[in-house]
Amino acid sequence: DQQVKQNSPSLSVQEGRISILNCDYTNSMFDYFLWYKKYPAEGPTFLISISSIKDKNEDGRFTVFLNKSAKHLSLHIVPSQPGDSAVYFCAASDPNTDKLIFGTGTRLQVFP
Amino acid sequence: DAGVIQSPRHEVTEMGQEVTLRCKPISGHDYLFWYRQTMMRGLELLIYFNNNVPIDDSGMPEDRFSAKMPNASFSTLKIQPSEPRDSAVYFCASSLRGGTLSSGNTIYFGEGSWLTVV
Repeated sequence: DQQVKQNSPSLSVQEGRISILNCDYTNSMFDYFLWYKKYPAEGPTFLISISSIKDKNEDGRFTVFLNKSAKHLSLHIVPSQPGDSAVYFCAASDPNTDKLIFGTGTRLQVFP
Repeated sequence: DAGVIQSPRHEVTEMGQEVTLRCKPISGHDYLFWYRQTMMRGLELLIYFNNNVPIDDSGMPEDRFSAKMPNASFSTLKIQPSEPRDSAVYFCASSLRGGTLSSGNTIYFGEGSWLTVV
């Protein structure tokens, strides 16, 4: 039973446009939410996070939005660049189990 | 820092054979995690250690899987006997503290071990 879900396995966006990656979760006790980025043949690397007490966190071109009532978060990338092409994993931190729970990932392709 | 180091990077083995994956965490990190990546389930946590002690192995799929951490700088994940459905990328990760970010913590991943069981 997936506690963190990424329902879109892939997304294709033109360079310069906005990329929006979505994530849904089921456990209201999660205290932090994170996005990891993964290039082929490499391990995932941390991108950006947000605390459950906030609704927005911005870092350069990357912004994460959290809607607790809908148990939904999204990652916005503006403007998208070809170098952003990667798999993006949404993750949630469970303070009760001390675990980081990942979704299935969304493959983003940014084309020129 | 060299980061989390995993070996082998690629392993192809026949069904029934024993597979051993190795990991060296980042020096000074108290926690070590083993994850498995598959298309269907994404990144699954198999087991994690704190100060070399296994804390939660509820993600280990079956008794064929075992993990050890004999010291702070080395861990192994063993599959015996291996089966084709074990084919996946296995990631080792480490962090200063647990998976939560209560203190601005994060998890650092190795490059993964690609396992193919034929």
